[in-house]
Formats: sequence, structure tokens, C-alpha cells
Amino acid sequence: GENVEQHPSTLSVQEGDSAVIKCTYSDSASNYFPWYKQELGKGPQLIIDIRSNVGEKKDQRIAVTLNKTAKHFSLHITETQPEDSAVYFCAASISSGGYQKVTFGIGTKLQVIP
Amino acid sequence: DARVTQTPRHKVTEMGQEVTMRCQPILGHNTVFWYRQTMMQGLELLAYFRNRAPLDDSGMPKDRFSAEMPDATLATLKIQPSEPRDSAVYFCASGLDPDRNEAFFGQGTRLTVV
Repeated sequence: GENVEQHPSTLSVQEGDSAVIKCTYSDSASNYFPWYKQELGKGPQLIIDIRSNVGEKKDQRIAVTLNKTAKHFSLHITETQPEDSAVYFCAASISSGGYQKVTFGIGTKLQVIP
Repeated sequence: DARVTQTPRHKVTEMGQEVTMRCQPILGHNTVFWYRQTMMQGLELLAYFRNRAPLDDSGMPKDRFSAEMPDATLATLKIQPSEPRDSAVYFCASGLDPDRNEAFFGQGTRLTVV
């Protein structure tokens, strides 16, 4: 099955700096790559996603890039703010048995220091 | 506002007891997921329902776990008998369309089996 590796596991940045989280996936058939943000005591929430026919997508301060050849994708957060502090999960989705099966990375705990 | 509702939020039980977790998906959504989150394994898919029918429960230990959707407004995850290794946060998520992929997560049930 699909295997998603994510790093780093923890990341501390100064407010205003950029943060980058990287993921790799194993199954070249994966075609959808969502990123989720999980705040303390809450469930994960989708913040941005990218499909395999797109190389880059941007939404205000966050952007994702996808390199299908190398099977890796990244999340970039610019001008970080304290409210960006959370755990971020990457995921890869593959069509399996008639539905999209999502495999999550282990998560990155991001701390933005004011 | 529309949200996935899970009950209870916290549950402490003794080993061997039955545990039932409930989920009310967002009205109109036709897909429901159950995930288990632990520090070691991250987010693991336990079961997936579409239009109340189970499509994939391969991630679920069959001998003690069961998942059902008695109607479109209720999904249940049952553990019988519970074991200490079942201690985790259990998330329910729902979605509108399998092609859209996005899963809306509830706030989770934190289960502790002692």
C-alpha cells in the first residue's frame, strides 16, 4: 500500500520567517495530496490541496508544490504568525476499490515563536 | 454552522468493557470515515462508508471492532471487549462526494482504557 513519509517531525521558526514541511510518497498512482492542520484538542482541518496534474498551488501565505517524478510534495508557509502553530499532516490519496484511500504522514509540530 | 459531531469527547473505561463512540456527519454528506490517532502510528483509517454502506474496513481489527451506520445521521464505532492498546483519539470525518476527497473531521473521542 501507499507509504507517506513526512519531515521534520518538529519545527520551530521565528514569527515572520518561512516554514517548509516536506513529504514523500511511494505509490506513483496517488493523484491527490491534501494538507491538514490540527490545533490542540481539535480534529484536522483541510488547509490546501493539490492534484497530480498541477505542480504548484498558492493560497495567500501557504503554497504547495508537487514533484511527481521524484514523488515528493511540500508545504510552504510564509510570514508565519503565532496562530500558525499547530500540527500539520500531509496525505496522499489513491483510487482503491472505488474510492479515494487517503494515507497520512506522521505529522509535523510547528511552533512559531513570537 | 455545519460540523461533524462526536460523542463522547472523552471516555475512560476498564479493560474488557464495551465502548461505543457516536458520530453525526454533516447533513447531506454521503461519505463517513473513522480514523484512529496515536503518537506512534499517526492517523490510521479504520473504516469508510459511502451512502451508509461499508466500503472498506480493512484497517479495523475485526475481532473486537465494529462500525455501523444505522441511518444517514448516525455512525457508530464499537469496541468489545476494549483493551489498553485501544487507547487513542478516534476521529469521525464526513465528506460530500468521493470525487472531491475533502474530509471534514469531528473533534474526536479521546478513549483511555485502563
